[in-house]
Amino acid sequence: KAGVTQTPRYLIKTRGQQVTLSCSPISGHRSVSWYQQTPGQGLQFLFEYFSETQRNKGNFPGRFSGRQFSNSRSEMNVSTLELGDSALYLCASSLGLKGIYNEQFFGPGTRLTVL
Amino acid sequence: AQSVTQLDSQVPVFEEAPVELRCNYSSSVSVYLFWYVQYPNQGLQLLLKYLSGSTLVKGINGFEAEFNKSQTSFHLRKPSVHISDTAEYFCAVSDMNSGYSTLTFGKGTMLLVSP
Repeated sequence: KAGVTQTPRYLIKTRGQQVTLSCSPISGHRSVSWYQQTPGQGLQFLFEYFSETQRNKGNFPGRFSGRQFSNSRSEMNVSTLELGDSALYLCASSLGLKGIYNEQFFGPGTRLTVL
Repeated sequence: AQSVTQLDSQVPVFEEAPVELRCNYSSSVSVYLFWYVQYPNQGLQLLLKYLSGSTLVKGINGFEAEFNKSQTSFHLRKPSVHISDTAEYFCAVSDMNSGYSTLTFGKGTMLLVSP
C-alpha cells in the first residue's frame, strides 16, 4: 500500500506571494491533518479535514486555509506569505473514525522557504 | 488543553550505551501517549503508543516506554543504542475523548549516537 505523498517536496517563494501544497492520503483514509514544523515553535496542528469538511482547527491566522476533495486528497494554501511561514509542512492521514484510536501516518513533508 | 515537555533538547550518547529520553505532559483530560521518530528530511514515524492497559509498552527498533500516571510522564528507553538511532524524537499526546486524533507535540529531543 502506498504511503502518504506530498508535493512538491521543496518550494521557494517570496514574501507576499501565495502557495498551495498538496497531500494524497493512504488509500481508504478519509482524514487528513496538517502540521507546521519550525525550529522555534516545533510541531503545531493547523487543521483536519474529513469527508471534505474541516472538523478541527488549530490556532493559525486566516491566511492559512485548506480543502479536501472527494477522493480525500487535500490541499493547503497560505496567502500573503511572511518570512515566518518558512517551515516544514507535514500532512498525516488516518481512517478518521470517531470514538476510537486512529493511527496517523505522516508524509515526508513539503519544505517551504520564504525569501 | 494539553501540553508536552521534553526535558532535554539534545542527548549525546555512545554506541551500545543505554539511553532515556524524558517526556512529561499536562492535561485536564485523559490522553493517549505517543513517541515518534524523525530522520533527516523525512516525516514522522510512530515508535510506540500507550492507549490503555499495561503501562510498559514496547515499540519498534528495540524502544520501550513506561506510562506513569502519578508523575504524568512517558519516558522512552533503549538498553543499547546504535548509530542508526541518531534522529529527533518527539513525544505527543491526543485527547482520548475528543473524537479527534489531533496530536500535541513536545519540542523534540535530538539523540546523537557516536561510535
